[in-house]
Amino acid sequence: AQRVTQPEKLLSVFKGAPVELKCNYSYSGSPELFWYVQYSRQRLQLLLRHISRESIKGFTADLNKGETSFHLKKPFAQEEDSAMYYCALTTGGYNKLIFGAGTRLAVHP
Amino acid sequence: GAVVSQHPSWVICKSGTSVKIECRSLDFQATTMFWYRQFPKQSLMLMATSNEGSKATYEQGVEKDKFLINHASLTLSTLTVTSAHPEDSSFYICSATRTATDTQYFGPGTRLTVL
Repeated sequence: AQRVTQPEKLLSVFKGAPVELKCNYSYSGSPELFWYVQYSRQRLQLLLRHISRESIKGFTADLNKGETSFHLKKPFAQEEDSAMYYCALTTGGYNKLIFGAGTRLAVHP
Repeated sequence: GAVVSQHPSWVICKSGTSVKIECRSLDFQATTMFWYRQFPKQSLMLMATSNEGSKATYEQGVEKDKFLINHASLTLSTLTVTSAHPEDSSFYICSATRTATDTQYFGPGTRLTVL
């Protein structure tokens, strides 16, 4: 069965520090991986997806099939990055997203 | 563009009553809509996938007769929680997508509290 694991419930850093939110997945085929973000009192929104290989708001994520990981990274955290981050997987197109438990990122001044 | 709304944003009802939640794509036609459930401090769990004009596909463990889903048009899907009980209290979120390969756009969610 497909599964997405985000081992950290909370990640607390200071402004300007590097950030890495971990995401591991289990799927025997070729998955598509996503990172979604939910800012306080806002709806869930797509941050980035591995097939586009783009950087959004300074965040990047590389799919490592050998380690079955898709960690989200940013070299210098900003206070406005504080939010809930969800890693998600789909096995075909954008349908049937399977979400991880989420990691709350708190960036302190 | 690509805005999804939900109505109501929150609802409180008595045990045994039914509650209908609407999900609308405001500026695009959604061939597929999804319904998720989110418990406090937990992740989103897919409940069902709804394609316009056809029956919804429910995930394993989701009661079809309990959670009635209707997708009558390309801009509206409804979730009806029938004979609601306190354990149905949760945050219900819908999402919509234009095509099978398009990204999902999420609604703001509906908080249901069953007394």
